[in-house]
Amino acid sequence: DARVTQTPRHKVTEMGQEVTMRCQPILGHNTVFWYRQTMMQGLELLAYFRNRAPLDDSGMPKDRFSAEMPDATLATLKIQPSEPRDSAVYFCASGLERLGRISGGWEETQYFGPGTRLLVL
Amino acid sequence: KNQVEQSPQSLIILEGKNCTLQCNYTVSPFSNLRWYKQDTGRGPVSLTIMTFSENTKSNGRYTATLDADTKQSSLHITASQLSDSASYICVVSLSANNLFFGTGTRLTVIP
Repeated sequence: DARVTQTPRHKVTEMGQEVTMRCQPILGHNTVFWYRQTMMQGLELLAYFRNRAPLDDSGMPKDRFSAEMPDATLATLKIQPSEPRDSAVYFCASGLERLGRISGGWEETQYFGPGTRLLVL
Repeated sequence: KNQVEQSPQSLIILEGKNCTLQCNYTVSPFSNLRWYKQDTGRGPVSLTIMTFSENTKSNGRYTATLDADTKQSSLHITASQLSDSASYICVVSLSANNLFFGTGTRLTVIP
């Protein structure tokens, strides 16, 4: 049963520290997404990769966040330095984008990982 | 203003009953509209995906409908079960990286 895995599941750190979150997408998927979820804002898209290339990271605060995909089996999201307002649950999702036979457009189903619950003190 | 509004914010129903969750959106046209189920402490799971031209899509006891004229979608849950207790999130997608999320409806099914 293929699934997206994320590590760590929980992280408590102090303001100013570097945080690295890791994601292993489902084998064969060609898209990877990073989301952040808070009670106030709900789900927000932070970054999007297709075939390991970053296509969109406009949702991320550029000065402190960075997202990379060093290889097809690993995506990382880094926060440096972390701030209390970064406290949230960070989800990674992977998907397979393909041309729909019926719709004629690009279709994709995203599969979410269990998330990393981050608390910055 | 949030471009995807969901109602109600929370809902409590008796096990076995049906319920309908609403999603009103202003984003138009769009590529697809998705409903996700998110259990507490877990990532969202896709229930249905509808393109702009589809009216309805079913997944077991879940049926999503879409009215492009009124810009409304609904998720109908039939014969609710305790395991349906979760948050349900409506997402309108212009493209893979241009998404508008609703804040969700928290459903609680009680015995």
